[in-house]
Amino acid sequence: SQELEQSPQSLIVQEGKNLTINCTSSKTLYGLYWYKQKYGEGLIFLMMLQKGGEEKSHEKITAKLDEKKQQSSLHITASQPSHAGIYLCGAGPGGSYGKLTFGQGTILTVHP
Amino acid sequence: EPEVTQTPSHQVTQMGQEVILRCVPISNHLYFYWYRQILGQKVEFLVSFYNNEISEKSEIFDDQFSVERPDGSNFTLKIRSTKLEDSAMYFCASSGYNYGYTFGSGTRLTVV
Repeated sequence: SQELEQSPQSLIVQEGKNLTINCTSSKTLYGLYWYKQKYGEGLIFLMMLQKGGEEKSHEKITAKLDEKKQQSSLHITASQPSHAGIYLCGAGPGGSYGKLTFGQGTILTVHP
Repeated sequence: EPEVTQTPSHQVTQMGQEVILRCVPISNHLYFYWYRQILGQKVEFLVSFYNNEISEKSEIFDDQFSVERPDGSNFTLKIRSTKLEDSAMYFCASSGYNYGYTFGSGTRLTVV
């Protein structure tokens, strides 16, 4: 079965700093999803990556999938307190359908 | 922005009772899912549903659980004879081929 390992497990940054969260898979990634979760709440979709070398951006968040399709990174530029939460990566079969397997999450705290 | 709607947001039930968790998926999505997240743990896949039948289920999804799409809009998860260890956040999700993979805000189930 596929395992996803996220690093770091938690991250505390000062507002305005850049940060990166990594997601490493035990198998090839065919569909890699990034979600944000506020504690005790639902998962908010951020981005989906499918192709090796693919990069997507939305506002100050950029996600990349490496060429070998075994690792993804999420980069936040000029972090804000609104970026605080739990970031989850999830792996699926691609094409926006099928079971997702999630990493354990990265807890991000942004101090004003 | 289309949403997946879940009701109730919180449910407290006595051990041994049956509960039904309800979801309204996004209308043009064809795939429906239930996931759960025990406090402090990973989001875990329970079951996927397509074309009015279960397409995949996890080891967690035993005879205690069942899913149903009783009409054209609702998707339900029934848990028979609840146990203390069923206490968790239950997420419904829906997806369509290349139409995104959207989660609801969850139902927090507490078994006492």
